Amino acid sequence: GAVVSQHPSRVICKSGTSVKIECRSLDFQATTMFWYRQFPKQSLMLMATSNEGSKATYEQGVEKDKFLINHASLTLSTLTVTSAHPEDSSFYICSATAGQEYSPLHFGNGTRLTVT
Amino acid sequence: GQNIDQPTEMTATEGAIVQINCTYQTSGFNGLFWYQQHAGEAPTFLSYNVLDGLEEKGRFSSFLSRSKGYSYLLLKELQMKDSASYLCAVKDSNYQLIWGAGTKLIIKP
Repeated sequence: GAVVSQHPSRVICKSGTSVKIECRSLDFQATTMFWYRQFPKQSLMLMATSNEGSKATYEQGVEKDKFLINHASLTLSTLTVTSAHPEDSSFYICSATAGQEYSPLHFGNGTRLTVT
Repeated sequence: GQNIDQPTEMTATEGAIVQINCTYQTSGFNGLFWYQQHAGEAPTFLSYNVLDGLEEKGRFSSFLSRSKGYSYLLLKELQMKDSASYLCAVKDSNYQLIWGAGTKLIIKP
C-alpha cells in the first residue's frame, strides 16, 4: 500500500518553456502533498506544501509564480515549472501523506528535469 | 533553530554491521523517521520511532532516546545493495518534517 506515482520520470526541455509534473497517490487519499528539489549530492530541499483545495505554502526563497502547484483532488497534485532555465535543472520529488499525524511520507520516484 | 546532525559518510564491509547515528534539536517531537535513498532515486521509508527503544525490522533496526535527542539506524549482515544514503527526519511540534543532510554509506567487498 501507500504508492505514490510521479510522471514523467525524465524530461528534457528548452529554456523558456514550461514543464508539468504530476504526482498521484494511488491507494490512499493524500490530504497533504509535498514537493522537494534535490541537486546532485545534496539533501532534499522542501519547496512547498500543498493541501487539497487550498493554495500551496511555499518555502522561503521559492518563487510561487515560477513553480505553480495545484492540488485539485485528494489524489493528484501538479507542479508546473514555468519559463524554465538551465539552473532549474534538478531532481524534483513529490511526496504524500494520508494526514494522520504519525504517518510517514511516501515518495514518488522523482522527475529528473534537464533544461537546455 | 532546528537541527539534525548525522555523519556525512561512512564505510563498512560486506557482511558486517554498521550503526548510523542521528542527533536532533527540534521544537517539539512527533516521531523520527529513517529513509534510504539510492543515487538518482527517491527516498524509501525504512522505519519510524515515536517511543524510546528499539524497533527491529529484519536486518534493519532503529533506536530512539527522546531524552537525549538521539537515534541510530543499525544495519546487520550488510549487502552491497545497502550502499545508499540514509536520511534521518524528525516531525516537530507542527508535524513538519525536518530533514538531516543524509549519511552516504559505502559498502566494500
